[in-house]
Amino acid sequence: GAVVSQHPSRVICKSGTSVKIECRSLDFQATTMFWYRQFPKQSLMLMATSNEGSKATYEQGVEKDKFLINHASLTLSTLTVTSAHPEDSSFYICSASTYQGTNSPLHFGNGTRLTVT
Amino acid sequence: KQEVTQIPAALSVPEGENLVLNCSFTDSAIYNLQWFRQDPGKGLTSLLLIQSSQREQTSGRLNASLDKSSGRSTLYIAASQPGDSATYLCAVSSYGGSQGNLIFGKGTKLSVKP
Repeated sequence: GAVVSQHPSRVICKSGTSVKIECRSLDFQATTMFWYRQFPKQSLMLMATSNEGSKATYEQGVEKDKFLINHASLTLSTLTVTSAHPEDSSFYICSASTYQGTNSPLHFGNGTRLTVT
Repeated sequence: KQEVTQIPAALSVPEGENLVLNCSFTDSAIYNLQWFRQDPGKGLTSLLLIQSSQREQTSGRLNASLDKSSGRSTLYIAASQPGDSATYLCAVSSYGGSQGNLIFGKGTKLSVKP
């Protein structure tokens, strides 16, 4: 149980285009999902917290107008990288929990490798 | 600001060896510490979660310890197997952070040779 599905797993796009990444909780409802990115040889960093039915909360230094997050249902959150540039090339990964609370385990998707040419 | 450090960055061992991965963190005000496994190009699999009030957790051949006062955790893997080859990440959930605001280390890349 507690499977998080993320698509696509890899995407290559041209500079200036937009890319949408989907994160789905397959067998549970997730009122909150989290989006992270990992640059090569760096740690995973939280980008934003996606809340169902309300606006996402972004971490300091993450441009909310560039990284659009939509959490329209209890099982789906999307991250859209708008006007992508080569410096946005990274590994993006989402996570969700079956319930809220600081000691509840997070379940991660398999991630999306974005390459912007 | 919480910082998480993992040593070593990479480790190669022959099959069957017992091994220890180390994680240290700078701020002891944490809710919990988690160990994850990440396979190449894949997401994270949670291995063990230790709450701040606990000292260790065990799952099969894995044992994780937590010494909050000294800011250290270890992941012990017994009788290593080639299938254990992966990157192991340590992450802490700090006071004042949200549920998803885990502070990750850079990981230890483990290679177990047959």
